[in-house]
Amino acid sequence: AQTVTQSQPEMSVQEAETVTLSCTYDTSESDYYLFWYKQPPSRQMILVIRQEAYKQQNATENRFSVNFQKAAKSFSLKISDSQLGDAAMYFCACNSGNTPLVFGKGTRLSVIA
Amino acid sequence: ETGVTQTPRHLVMGMTNKKSLKCEQHLGHNAMYWYKQSAKKPLELMFVYNFKEQTENNSVPSRFSPECPNSSHLFLHLHTLQPEDSALYLCASSQRDYYEQYFGPGTRLTVT
Repeated sequence: AQTVTQSQPEMSVQEAETVTLSCTYDTSESDYYLFWYKQPPSRQMILVIRQEAYKQQNATENRFSVNFQKAAKSFSLKISDSQLGDAAMYFCACNSGNTPLVFGKGTRLSVIA
Repeated sequence: ETGVTQTPRHLVMGMTNKKSLKCEQHLGHNAMYWYKQSAKKPLELMFVYNFKEQTENNSVPSRFSPECPNSSHLFLHLHTLQPEDSALYLCASSQRDYYEQYFGPGTRLTVT
């Protein structure tokens, strides 16, 4: 079974600054995928970024990037140049080709103007 | 319409009512999912359908009954619900089962 742990229930960041959200996971699968989802107050879950475990290069999507440390089973999300619209719940998730997507409990990010 | 849509967005129902939630995906995906999101709890996977066949049922009470008539539509039929069933119900779809998922906006359900 897979587990995903987000140890930071809440984080805050000043507008235009950088923040890193932590995530650790555990899986017995050799081939798996990791995701970060954003859930703003509208409650729509939005896929932010995706990382295939077999890829060594860290994924990036504009201001969002990950630090994937496979040996440590760590998958942190870095948000650069934070904007007010980045305020949301952020969920880390993991699955493999034959297991359901497992979510962490989420980190609530506040952006301070 | 694009993406994943859900109707209704809000629903209030009594414990003796019967209602249905509808999900439609316009992404050409083959797998669809129902999740329950309660306050202060992780997302709970309820059902998975892959090519219209149910492949996962996470010990969900029988008062929740899913239906997947085709790969684009997914329903959740509700009957004799309890107040603790009040939650946000999210639908998602993916190209194949357990691949990256795209979510709808959710239905906020309140059981009175």
